[in-house]
Amino acid sequence: GIQVEQSPPDLILQEGANSTLRCNFSDSVNNLQWFHQNPWGQLINLFYIPSGTKQNGRLSATTVATERYSLLYISSSQTTDSGVYFCARAPSGGSYIPTFGRGTSLIVHP
Amino acid sequence: EAGVTQFPSHSVIEKGQTVTLRCDPISGHDNLYWYRRVMGKEIKFLLHFVKESKQDESGMPNNRFLAERTGGTYSTLKVQPAELEDSGVYFCASSQDSDYLGNYGYTFGSGTRLTVV
Repeated sequence: GIQVEQSPPDLILQEGANSTLRCNFSDSVNNLQWFHQNPWGQLINLFYIPSGTKQNGRLSATTVATERYSLLYISSSQTTDSGVYFCARAPSGGSYIPTFGRGTSLIVHP
Repeated sequence: EAGVTQFPSHSVIEKGQTVTLRCDPISGHDNLYWYRRVMGKEIKFLLHFVKESKQDESGMPNNRFLAERTGGTYSTLKVQPAELEDSGVYFCASSQDSDYLGNYGYTFGSGTRLTVV
């Protein structure tokens, strides 16, 4: 089946620091998304990014489909960035049932 | 617009008891999904409803889990009898279109944290 691996599993930062989260996948990608599970438990869509680069404020993501990885960049981190970041992908076409990675747990200290 | 609502937010039950989780999707979303995350592991798909019909229930772990979606609106997920390994966070999500390539996206609820002791 599809494999999705995320690294690092845990990350602790001081407020203001930058970080890069990585997502490797075993198959070619047609759908790749990044989610953030905030401290209140809710899963929030961050990016849909099967290829290329997107930016939203302090967050940006890049997917290199030919090399089967995606990166999520967090710049000038804030305590509200804490939580778990998941990437997910699904096979092309048909119904979208994604395979999630195990997540990167991020703690940002003030 | 209200988001996806899940109830309860937390539940602690004893092994052997029954628990029912509820999910109210975004109004008008025909597609409803249940997922589960066991602590420290990935989020795993459980099943997918299109309106009141089960489109895909390949992720349901065993017959102790029963999901329903009455009238194509809210959905319930019942675990009976609960076992220790059922502990985790149960997420519900809804979307407008099941044949989606990310343009509309899932909207997830806040999850129900289930602890079986």
